[in-house]
Amino acid sequence: DIVMTQSPDSLAVSLGERATINCKSSQSVLYTSNNKNYLAWYQQRPGQPPKLLISWASTRESGVPDRFSGSGSGTDFTLTISSLQAEDVAVYYCHQYYGAPPTFGPGTKVDIE
Amino acid sequence: EVRLVASGGGLVQPGGSLRLSCADSGFTFSNYWMSWVRQAPGKGLEWVANIKQDGSEKNYVDSVKGRFTISRDNAKNSLYLQMNSLRADDTAVYYCATDRRLFDSWGQGTLVTVSS
Repeated sequence: DIVMTQSPDSLAVSLGERATINCKSSQSVLYTSNNKNYLAWYQQRPGQPPKLLISWASTRESGVPDRFSGSGSGTDFTLTISSLQAEDVAVYYCHQYYGAPPTFGPGTKVDIE
Repeated sequence: EVRLVASGGGLVQPGGSLRLSCADSGFTFSNYWMSWVRQAPGKGLEWVANIKQDGSEKNYVDSVKGRFTISRDNAKNSLYLQMNSLRADDTAVYYCATDRRLFDSWGQGTLVTVSS
């Protein structure tokens, strides 16, 4: 199985400041034949199911604010919230869908400082 | 708009069985692979099983193989998870989700508690 790790476990950021979450996979999730990274990011607010934010490492889903961006390739990825808003308080998970079974990172909790 | 509602959770003793259901409304259920994903209390996400549009292909995480069975009834727009030989570490909220390898729509989840 592909093991996903995330750092940090949690972070607190002031409103309007940048939050950066890192995700690392135990093997590359880049499919070279189509040059796509099989990596997604989800947001889970308290008491809610996860919500897909970003697919293919950097493609924002419809309706997701542009303050959310994803980057990286191969084994190292980053989710950036450029200007933290109160509604962004949540746990964020990365997810690889390159190999079977699909696996998730342990999550990063984002709070307001 | 996809609307998924999971049900059937509850308290069950170790070794017992439970059947979860997930009903859809608002989208063409039969067009999608579907998955169950679970989340133990205070923990992260774990994919459990998925099923192809016509039910001809099913996959499971190793920890539930031989104990859980995923199925679907496209005529009823419904997804199921039959869980047998339940263990304490199966305690979790179980979510159903549309599966296009990533999970783009999720239901609210149903809590399964395995305890004596």
